[in-house]
Amino acid sequence: GQQVMQIPQYQHVQEGEDFTTYCNSSTTLSNIQWYKQRPGGHPVFLIQLVKSGEVKKQKRLTFQFGEAKKNSSLHITATQTTDVGTYFCAGPGANDYKLSFGAGTTVTVRA
Amino acid sequence: GAVVSQHPSWVICKSGTSVKIECRSLDFQATTMFWYRQFPKQSLMLMATSNEGSKATYEQGVEKDKFLINHASLTLSTLTVTSAHPEDSSFYICSAGDEQYFGPGTRLTVT
Repeated sequence: GQQVMQIPQYQHVQEGEDFTTYCNSSTTLSNIQWYKQRPGGHPVFLIQLVKSGEVKKQKRLTFQFGEAKKNSSLHITATQTTDVGTYFCAGPGANDYKLSFGAGTTVTVRA
Repeated sequence: GAVVSQHPSWVICKSGTSVKIECRSLDFQATTMFWYRQFPKQSLMLMATSNEGSKATYEQGVEKDKFLINHASLTLSTLTVTSAHPEDSSFYICSAGDEQYFGPGTRLTVT
């Protein structure tokens, strides 16, 4: 079955620094989605990437979808304390809508 | 739009009892709803796909007789954890629709 791998599992960042989390799929994805889960909260949808090589920005967040549609990245610039949480990528199966989630990258920020 | 609610938001029950969790799509109809489970510091794992008017589809390793799913209407799916044990303590999250709008989750603690 499809597997979505995500690294790093933990990211401890100095406030103001940048960081990137990476997501790789064992199969080609029709799309990839990114979610953020704050401590104690539920996953909140951030974005969906569909096109090969697509790049989308949300303020300090930049999302990329690889040319082969098997990998994706989330880059956050000038990290703030509000960025704390776990970021998950997720991709649907080949023949259905079921999402396979990556392990998540848990981000902590030191002021 | 696209709001999904869950009830209860948290529940504590005794070992051996059953607990019912509701997932509702408030402003849209959902033929399909998904049930996930998330253990502490882990990713979301799909348990089952709930289909309105038909039997749920369970993921490998999920006991259908223990986790009863009913999707009797286009806006409501229920998950009943039967004969709950402490190892069933987890965060149960539903999502609704092909776009998978997530509910706020239900935190179950079995004592």
